[in-house]
Amino acid sequence: DQQVKQNSPSLSVQEGRISILNCDYTNSMFDYFLWYKKYPAEGPTFLISISSIKDKNEDGRFTVFLNKSAKHLSLHIVPSQPGDSAVYFCAAKDSGTYKYIFGTGTRLKVLA
Amino acid sequence: GAGVSQSPRYKVTKRGQDVALRCDPISGHVSLYWYRQALGQGPEFLTYFNYEAQQDKSGLPNDRFSAERPEGSISTLTIQRTEQRDSAMYRCASSLASNSYEQYFGPGTRLTVT
Repeated sequence: DQQVKQNSPSLSVQEGRISILNCDYTNSMFDYFLWYKKYPAEGPTFLISISSIKDKNEDGRFTVFLNKSAKHLSLHIVPSQPGDSAVYFCAAKDSGTYKYIFGTGTRLKVLA
Repeated sequence: GAGVSQSPRYKVTKRGQDVALRCDPISGHVSLYWYRQALGQGPEFLTYFNYEAQQDKSGLPNDRFSAERPEGSISTLTIQRTEQRDSAMYRCASSLASNSYEQYFGPGTRLTVT
């Protein structure tokens, strides 16, 4: 039973265009959401996060949007760069616990 | 500064043997997490430590899995009587405090049970 779902296993985007990665969740008790980026043979690296009381958080080229009514999270990367090519995981923290639930990841390929 | 380190990076063991996986978190990081990651999946929560206290072990699959962090720094994940289904990447992550959401992941230990 996947509480955090990333339905697109892969995405290809042209350099300079916008990349949009999506994540859906089922547990309304999640209170914090995060995105991690992972390069091959490395551990995931934190990218950006958002509290459940907000609907947008921006950090440079990266913006995360949260739609609580739809239980939907998205990561926008503008403009996309070849170095952004990696696997992106969304994660959610269960309220009142220290437990984080990760999605299955989306592989982003930015084409030069 | 050094990041999270894990050892060994690769471990091949025979079914039925015990294995111990080590995690050395970033110095000063209070929180430590263990995850298991199967191929093509995201990290799966196993257990959480705040200093030396194991505050959540709800993700440990069964009683063959245990973890400790006796001095609030280095942690060991032990799997007893390994089975082939235990084969996976085991990742450790640390964060500065219990209310720090950003986790720093180690490179992982690839465990193969033959």
